[in-house]
Amino acid sequence: QLQLQESGPGLVKPSETLSLTCTVSGGSISTSSYFWGWIRQPPGKGLEWIGSIFYTGTTYYNMSLKSRVTISIDTSKNQFSLRLRSVTAADTAVYYCARHAIFSPMDVWGQGTTVTVSS
Amino acid sequence: QSVLTQPPSVSGAPGQRVTISCTGSSSNIGARYDVHWYQQLPGTAPKVLIYGNNNRPSGVPDRFSGSKSATSASLAITGLQAEDEADYYCQSYDSSLSGWVFGGGTKLTVL
Repeated sequence: QLQLQESGPGLVKPSETLSLTCTVSGGSISTSSYFWGWIRQPPGKGLEWIGSIFYTGTTYYNMSLKSRVTISIDTSKNQFSLRLRSVTAADTAVYYCARHAIFSPMDVWGQGTTVTVSS
Repeated sequence: QSVLTQPPSVSGAPGQRVTISCTGSSSNIGARYDVHWYQQLPGTAPKVLIYGNNNRPSGVPDRFSGSKSATSASLAITGLQAEDEADYYCQSYDSSLSGWVFGGGTKLTVL
């Protein structure tokens, strides 16, 4: 059974870079037709899609975050990663990784990891 | 401001029927992209409730159903149960934004 697990620092200072990794187990990240995405949820608020990467490395980003976001994939480690630069308190959220096909639902999610931006 | 608009909250008594709307535009729901619905229980990751507008994954009770028309979609829950109390999100693809979009979420309260 496919499982996703987020990992990374739970506390990041303002203006620094948030870095998270999603490790995929129980299946290959190189499976064709699938995207690997990042979604976040600020405290008490709704879900926001951050961006997704196709197994070939092609990336798609939320336009509102595009200038600060980089998503990469490491097929040898079965992982994909998120980097969000110049963070502020508004980036405090639970960050989820998830799998999806282009027009299909995000059907497998990680449990989420809380990232707080604070000095 | 979410691209897909949902009511912030809905409520109903046990056994009743409630619906949650999801209003989009010509670049997402109206462009015939599928709508998916998620249920999020407190402290947990979202779970697919309805996919492809009106399909239920195995294990989802048939009390949950989805529909889509023009630029809107709806989630209906019949025979409300206390365990249905959760946040519900719609999601689709937007061609103008070249990305995936969520509704703002609806909190369902079972009275």
